[in-house]
Amino acid sequence: GAGVSQSPSNKVTEKGKDVELRCDPISGHTALYWYRQSLGQGLEFLIYFQGNSAPDKSGLPSDRFSAERTGGSVSTLTIQRTQQEDSAVYLCASSGTSGRAPVYEQFFGPGTRLTVL
Amino acid sequence: DAKTTQPPSMDCAEGRAANLPCNHSTISGNEYVYWYRQIHSQGPQYIIHGLKNNETNEMASLIITEDRKSSTLILPHATLRDTAVYYCIVRVEGFGNEKLTFGTGTRLTIIP
Repeated sequence: GAGVSQSPSNKVTEKGKDVELRCDPISGHTALYWYRQSLGQGLEFLIYFQGNSAPDKSGLPSDRFSAERTGGSVSTLTIQRTQQEDSAVYLCASSGTSGRAPVYEQFFGPGTRLTVL
Repeated sequence: DAKTTQPPSMDCAEGRAANLPCNHSTISGNEYVYWYRQIHSQGPQYIIHGLKNNETNEMASLIITEDRKSSTLILPHATLRDTAVYYCIVRVEGFGNEKLTFGTGTRLTIIP
């Protein structure tokens, strides 16, 4: 009964480099979310995948950010040309919904701590 | 989603009940009250949610006032492992996009 896993747990990169963050949701969960949390701040929504529907990208802060979800399971968040303000903890969550039942609980992974030098 | 207001920090003695308040005076009739918590260096964890009736589960109890403008999360016998940031949010329990938005929450410290 694995939960949501994310890798790497920590990533240090230099300004201008690209990074990829990975999320493995709970098996069978159709909804997957990416959030980020800056130091001492609350949660900021980035992007949401639901089944085969077009993702909700309304939270992505710039076109340097993109995400994909292959085969309805694993997701990768890519940040191109990283900037120092991208430093944060990136959290992935998944939830189970058929689209017909209310969703009340999101299961979060441990996060990836990204540091841009 | 309606805005919530929580105290920034609270202390509670180990073994005592921890009562965490939340104000949500602009809550709509179809919005639920949700509580999540985040232990240091971990992702947020769902605790409980409710609409208007008081709710209890294995983790906590949720007391919602009759006018629904405020609520209290109760951890009946706090342990050191309950030290965390607790987030109160209100949102519609819908069928689609369920993005969460947390504020800065209440940092609860359990004192030995």
